[in-house]
Amino acid sequence: AQSVSQHNHHVILSEAASLELGCNYSYGGTVNLFWYVQYPGQHLQLLLKYFSGDPLVKGIKGFEAEFIKSKFSFNLRKPSVQWSDTAEYFCAVNEGSNYQLIWGAGTKLIIKP
Amino acid sequence: EAGVAQSPRYKIIEKRQSVAFWCNPISGHATLYWYQQILGQGPKLLIQFQNNGVVDDSQLPKDRFSAERLKGVDSTLKIQPAKLEDSAVYLCASSFSRGELFFGEGSRLTVL
Repeated sequence: AQSVSQHNHHVILSEAASLELGCNYSYGGTVNLFWYVQYPGQHLQLLLKYFSGDPLVKGIKGFEAEFIKSKFSFNLRKPSVQWSDTAEYFCAVNEGSNYQLIWGAGTKLIIKP
Repeated sequence: EAGVAQSPRYKIIEKRQSVAFWCNPISGHATLYWYQQILGQGPKLLIQFQNNGVVDDSQLPKDRFSAERLKGVDSTLKIQPAKLEDSAVYLCASSFSRGELFFGEGSRLTVL
């Protein structure tokens, strides 16, 4: 069965630090890749997505992610985090022909002011 | 554009009672999902509708959970009877294509 792994369940950083959250998936075929974010007390919202084309994807709020097919990875990055980035981040994947999402367990990110 | 609407936002019930959650998706979104999100975990798909038909309900505990989307628009998720382990946030999402989901605020259920 397909699976999505997020390596870090909790990450604590200081403001202005650089961020990289790992995401690996197990499916070998065509995939669509997503990062969703859930700010405290708010609903899940899309941060960025990859369907095809340039493997470096830019999303909202300065986030980006790089799809590395050979590594089955879609890591999320931000060069300089802010306190307002405190949230839970979920990686999700679906196969190219089946749009049902497989979710990672999430990474709780806490930014110290 | 109006988002996905869910109600109620919060519900507290005793075990063995019943509860119903309502969802109205974004207009024009044919696909509607109900997820269960337990604290500290990723969303778990309960049921997926395409218009008013069920696409996947393999993870829905059918002895106690039911869901319907009779007119292919809004949907209701019911739990009867509730168990302690049903305490979770129930998320409704809708999509137009490719699995890009738009989520509602969620309905937080506490079973005592």
